[in-house]
Amino acid sequence: QAQLVQSGSELREPGASVKVACKASGYNFNVYSLHWVRQAPGQGLEWLGWINTNRGIPTYAQDLPGRFVFSLDTSVSTTYLQINGLKSEDTGVYYCAVWDDSFDIWGQGTAVTVSS
Amino acid sequence: SALAQSPSASGSLGQSVTISCTGTSRDVGAHNFVSWYQQHPGRAPKLLLYEVNKRPSGVPDRFSGSKSGNTASLTVSGLQAEDEADYYCSSYAGGDNLYVFGTGTKVTVL
Repeated sequence: QAQLVQSGSELREPGASVKVACKASGYNFNVYSLHWVRQAPGQGLEWLGWINTNRGIPTYAQDLPGRFVFSLDTSVSTTYLQINGLKSEDTGVYYCAVWDDSFDIWGQGTAVTVSS
Repeated sequence: SALAQSPSASGSLGQSVTISCTGTSRDVGAHNFVSWYQQHPGRAPKLLLYEVNKRPSGVPDRFSGSKSGNTASLTVSGLQAEDEADYYCSSYAGGDNLYVFGTGTKVTVL
């Protein structure tokens, strides 16, 4: 069945970088755009942006810092979220998701902890 | 900015609870692309409704949705213990922020 599987939890020091992977399977990867959503500890969901998996063009939420970069590798049906210059406020669970009417699938989430 | 939801709601087993989601004429009020998600602790969100009131396959008809103006609502009827969770609305917003989520409502089943 269609699923998104994300890479495992990450612990980084402030200023470091992290790259979260989201691998799609069970559906046509190029048809549906891939969204990234963040959930800070004890907080709600925040839409970070999406990437067009057909053209590889990312769109970022208006206030998202330029430290956040979406990319993809269509050869392995995988989308990536890279965060550079990590700050403590980047701590949270990051989800990748596809949503299009009733076709709605989410990755299991990747916890990113930024701490010295 | 985030769509406004009441932080908490509660209802007794078998009763109903309604959660509201208030946006603006640029998001909730502009179209019918409003979705509702259920999230249990430590789990990814699960789609309950899309396009205001459409249920994906497998979602019980105890979950229903409506919209009036800039406010969308989710009603959970016949509350069950497993309905205790956080609920989030989501809307297409267009512009620079294509999608926006609600602030979330924690539902407690008494």
